[in-house]
Amino acid sequence: SQKIEQNSEALNIQEGKTATLTCNYTNYSPAYLQWYRQDPGRGPVFLLLIRENEKEKRKERLKVTFDTTLKQSLFHITASQPADSATYLCALDQDSSYKLIFGSGTRLLVRP
Amino acid sequence: EAQVTQNPRYLITVTGKKLTVTCSQNMNHEYMSWYRQDPGLGLRQIYYSMNVEVTDKGDVPEGYKVSRKEKRNFPLILESPSPNQTSLYFCASSSYETRTDTQYFGPGTRLTVL
Repeated sequence: SQKIEQNSEALNIQEGKTATLTCNYTNYSPAYLQWYRQDPGRGPVFLLLIRENEKEKRKERLKVTFDTTLKQSLFHITASQPADSATYLCALDQDSSYKLIFGSGTRLLVRP
Repeated sequence: EAQVTQNPRYLITVTGKKLTVTCSQNMNHEYMSWYRQDPGLGLRQIYYSMNVEVTDKGDVPEGYKVSRKEKRNFPLILESPSPNQTSLYFCASSSYETRTDTQYFGPGTRLTVL
């Protein structure tokens, strides 16, 4: 069956360090993968998209990698700040059906 | 400002009392969708709509109805709510032009069914 896995345990890091979040998937062949940020009680907000033919994408302090052989995406936040504390969701398209499948998210806590 | 709005933001109701959660977007998006979010289960799609008068079931459609009579509106209807529908609900929209399904989410509706 198709599955998207994100680490359910919160990631707790010190301000200034790089946070690395993982998204693994099985039985999918996505054309692209997206990352969203969600604050408590709010709707997810789109951050970055990476296509299957791209290895890496950057936006300011954010970097996403996509390894279709490993079926894995890594999401990095460099020089992390307490304001980066949130839950981060990865999402895949399902066979170009205009349907996104979301992982359950990883909570990031950045300590001052 | 481009946005997706939902109303109400909070709702407490009783079993069996019909309710409607409204959703509206001002971005002229073709695609709209409803999700529910429960602890440990992530976002699960309830229904989606590819365009006016075109709707289809998502992963968890039981107990819900939708309609898409206008492009901007996509209400979610619970004909006879039950306690297992207590959840946080999100409406989202996206445009076919980007061909990437990037979703724009509303602020959420927290529903409690007693």
